[in-house]
Amino acid sequence: NAGVTQTPKFRVLKTGQSMTLLCAQDMNHEYMYWYRQDPGMGLRLIHYSVGEGTTAKGEVPDGYNVSRLKKQNFLLGLESAAPSQTSVYFCASSSLLLATSYNEQFFGPGTRLTVL
Amino acid sequence: KQEVTQIPAALSVPEGENLVLNCSFTDSAIYNLQWFRQDPGKGLTSLLLIQSSQREQTSGRLNASLDKSSGRSTLYIAASQPGDSATYLCAVQPGGSYIPTFGRGTSLIVHP
Repeated sequence: NAGVTQTPKFRVLKTGQSMTLLCAQDMNHEYMYWYRQDPGMGLRLIHYSVGEGTTAKGEVPDGYNVSRLKKQNFLLGLESAAPSQTSVYFCASSSLLLATSYNEQFFGPGTRLTVL
Repeated sequence: KQEVTQIPAALSVPEGENLVLNCSFTDSAIYNLQWFRQDPGKGLTSLLLIQSSQREQTSGRLNASLDKSSGRSTLYIAASQPGDSATYLCAVQPGGSYIPTFGRGTSLIVHP
C-alpha cells in the first residue's frame, strides 16, 4: 500500500509556463483534495473531488484547473504559472464509505513548486 | 463559517515534560476532529481521529480529547522526546461537509 503519492517532488517554472501535478491513491477513496501551504497562511483548499468525473472549487481556485478521470488519480494543472503560485502543494484523500474510516484524511508528501 | 485556532503557535520544552496542545473551534456541529503531525519539508501524518460521538482517543504516548460543547480539543503528549519535535495541526470536519477546516498549527521543539 503506497497510500497517497505525488509527482513530481520538486519543480521550478518560469512565469507563464504550464505544468500538471499528479496525485495518485491506492486506497479506493472517493474524496480527493488539493491544498497549498504557505508560511503564515496555513493549509488552503484549492479544489476537491467527491468522485470520479466530479470536481469542485475550494477556497483559492483561481489560476488552477483539476481533473479526475480515474478514481485513483487527481490532477492539478497550472495553465500560466505566476510567482504567487510558488508554494508547497499537498494532495489528500479520504473515504466515508469504507468501514471505520470516518473520512480520515491521508496526505501525500507534497510538491515544492517555485515560479520565477 | 468554522474557524479553528491553535494556541500556542510555538512551544519549546525540555525533554521528559508532559505537554498539552490546544485546538479550539467555533461551530460545535462537527463530524470529526483529526490531529496531524508535520515534520519540516514533509507531508502531514495522521495521528489521531476523534469521531463526534467520542470523547477521546489514545495512541501510545498521545491522547486526544474532544469537548464539543466548549469547542475544544487537546492533544496530550506524555514524556516528550526530541523526536516529537514537529508542527502539530488539528482539522475539524463539519457535519454534512467533506471539507475539513485546519488550524495553523503549533510548532513544538523538545530539546535534550
